[in-house]
Amino acid sequence: GNSVTQMEGPVTLSEEAFLTINCTYTATGYPSLFWYVQYPGEGLQLLLKATKADDKGSNKGFEATYRKETTSFHLEKGSVQVSDSAVYFCSSGSARQLTFGSGTQLTVLP
Amino acid sequence: GAVVSQHPSRVICKSGTSVKIECRSLDFQATTMFWYRQFPKQSLMLMATSNEGSKATYEQGVEKDKFLINHASLTLSTLTVTSAHPEDSSFYICSARIAGGPTGELFFGEGSRLTVL
Repeated sequence: GNSVTQMEGPVTLSEEAFLTINCTYTATGYPSLFWYVQYPGEGLQLLLKATKADDKGSNKGFEATYRKETTSFHLEKGSVQVSDSAVYFCSSGSARQLTFGSGTQLTVLP
Repeated sequence: GAVVSQHPSRVICKSGTSVKIECRSLDFQATTMFWYRQFPKQSLMLMATSNEGSKATYEQGVEKDKFLINHASLTLSTLTVTSAHPEDSSFYICSARIAGGPTGELFFGEGSRLTVL
């Protein structure tokens, strides 16, 4: 079946540091790939997405590129802010459902 | 963006009682809604897929008689936890896909935290 493996947390960074959260997937066919973010006390929100190989999703300074050859969709941000502290979920989508990674807790310190 | 609202956001109940959680798509029609359960520090576990006007499709290991799902309209799905027990305490999240929208793109509710005493 489909699966998503993402970097275990928690991750703690200082403000303005570079962020990478690794994500790899296994799936039949060519799924869409997503990063969702869950801020403290809130529900999940779509952060960015990519629907085909070599697509780059970007939003709020975050980026991730759909790499078919390495089946990866790593999340990056060049300079994190305290307000980026949240749990980040990588997910792989088929026509039927999304499969989620385990989530990575990010804490950014001032 | 599209908005999905869940109610209640928090509920505390006694063991043996039933609790209903509502999931509404506020500004779009959703032919398909999903119900998830999230344990502390863990990922979302898909419980069931709710299709408007038909029976829900439950994931393996999820008791359909315990977690009753109804999707009576294109904007509302409900999850009823029947005869709740302390082990049912969790964070329940719904999501909805816009009818005819991009494959896989979902909009999530705020979640409902259930505590069973």
